[in-house]
Amino acid sequence: ETGVTQTPRHLVMGMTNKKSLKCEQHLGHNAMYWYKQSAKKPLELMFVYNFKEQTENNSVPSRFSPECPNSSHLFLHLHTLQPEDSALYLCASSQDPQGVGANVLTFGAGSRLTVL
Amino acid sequence: AQTVTQSQPEMSVQEAETVTLSCTYDTSESDYYLFWYKQPPSRQMILVIRQEAYKQQNATENRFSVNFQKAAKSFSLKISDSQLGDAAMYFCAYRGRSNFGNEKLTFGTGTRLTIIP
Repeated sequence: ETGVTQTPRHLVMGMTNKKSLKCEQHLGHNAMYWYKQSAKKPLELMFVYNFKEQTENNSVPSRFSPECPNSSHLFLHLHTLQPEDSALYLCASSQDPQGVGANVLTFGAGSRLTVL
Repeated sequence: AQTVTQSQPEMSVQEAETVTLSCTYDTSESDYYLFWYKQPPSRQMILVIRQEAYKQQNATENRFSVNFQKAAKSFSLKISDSQLGDAAMYFCAYRGRSNFGNEKLTFGTGTRLTIIP
């Protein structure tokens, strides 16, 4: 399998649940990203990992907890979410670390999260 | 802070015709990158085309071309010979180019393009 793969594609959870989103890239890229996509709003950058190290946390609430065990895998752990957290969560990767070169992103198909 | 504005929430075009999607941005930097990404119903965003601000020549990728007007801070996307597979959300994006290595990618709110058979 090639590209950036995200699972699950759809997730429905209650406000007290704990769940995780998974992202895997098979491109040998060095940086991985989590974005939040809400209707009629620009994509919001949440977290950036360069060479497995978190280099950016864009003022994201602590109920979102990222994990990057290696440069190919990225997780977003979810706990005690709110209904306004319902959105499409996109994972992306890039060959160059953030801010280096053209930094072209390759995206996954996203995980559609609904919080009840 | 940089902002990216896409003033057309929705556009439609007849198949085989040409359509132009507009994008303007606000920046005080002189060197930067501009991108157009496409998000089809499959939800996976794909890079369509990119432009480096220091290059005066407009970027072209097959049926996709841009009209980059640096002074006007405008970066429109032209799609020629529109095809049904072009139906998607199109996002314009900006990224500064500095020596600090921490420039973020800023996206617009998108334009939904419908292709009429």
